[in-house]
Amino acid sequence: QKEVEQNSGPLSVPEGAIASLNCTYSDRGSQSFFWYRQYSGKSPELIMFIYSNGDKEDGRFTAQLNKASQYVSLLIRDSQPSDSATYLCAVNMEYGNKLVFGAGTILRVKS
Amino acid sequence: DTEVTQTPKHLVMGMTNKKSLKCEQHMGHRAMYWYKQKAKKPPELMFVYSYEKLSINESVPSRFSPECPNSSLLNLHLHALQPEDSALYLCASSPGLRYEQYFGPGTRLTVT
Repeated sequence: QKEVEQNSGPLSVPEGAIASLNCTYSDRGSQSFFWYRQYSGKSPELIMFIYSNGDKEDGRFTAQLNKASQYVSLLIRDSQPSDSATYLCAVNMEYGNKLVFGAGTILRVKS
Repeated sequence: DTEVTQTPKHLVMGMTNKKSLKCEQHMGHRAMYWYKQKAKKPPELMFVYSYEKLSINESVPSRFSPECPNSSLLNLHLHALQPEDSALYLCASSPGLRYEQYFGPGTRLTVT
């Protein structure tokens, strides 16, 4: 079982729709969770972090965390073509105290 | 300001060369990291410094040698690299371990 799992995609959504990106993790003791956006040839850009169960909203982005199900998700409302990128889920593992990335989900927003 | 800077942007080196990558942050962060990223793969952790001390070495070959001269600077010294070491090398910093990490733009390294 991989430590952090994401559907590789590509996930295609029309402009203006909600994009839903999902991630599961194996270490039940993990406490901090992050979403990064990475454009081709660029470095990862932090877009959301969440530490507590529930929802956290920032502009068009909402991160959702369910520790009991070991599940974290990212919703992007009113998706724009500029949101087309790879989205990396990252989990700070309790053991080893290090950040582990999922393989990333490619999002394509079609105008 | 959440800026991490890295130099150089691009580096081409031969297998017998010695070179260094540099990273700097002025956010007062106490943890700094080196990652390696190959094409279409996620970043892979190499080293972690916490309060200027090496905290994690992910069994990285000794041809990569990290250094943290002070709380704002992080270097990665390279020697006798192999072509398979060609990758994007990313530096990141965070307020402390377990907190959000901010990445620099990276150094694109090509080993010939």
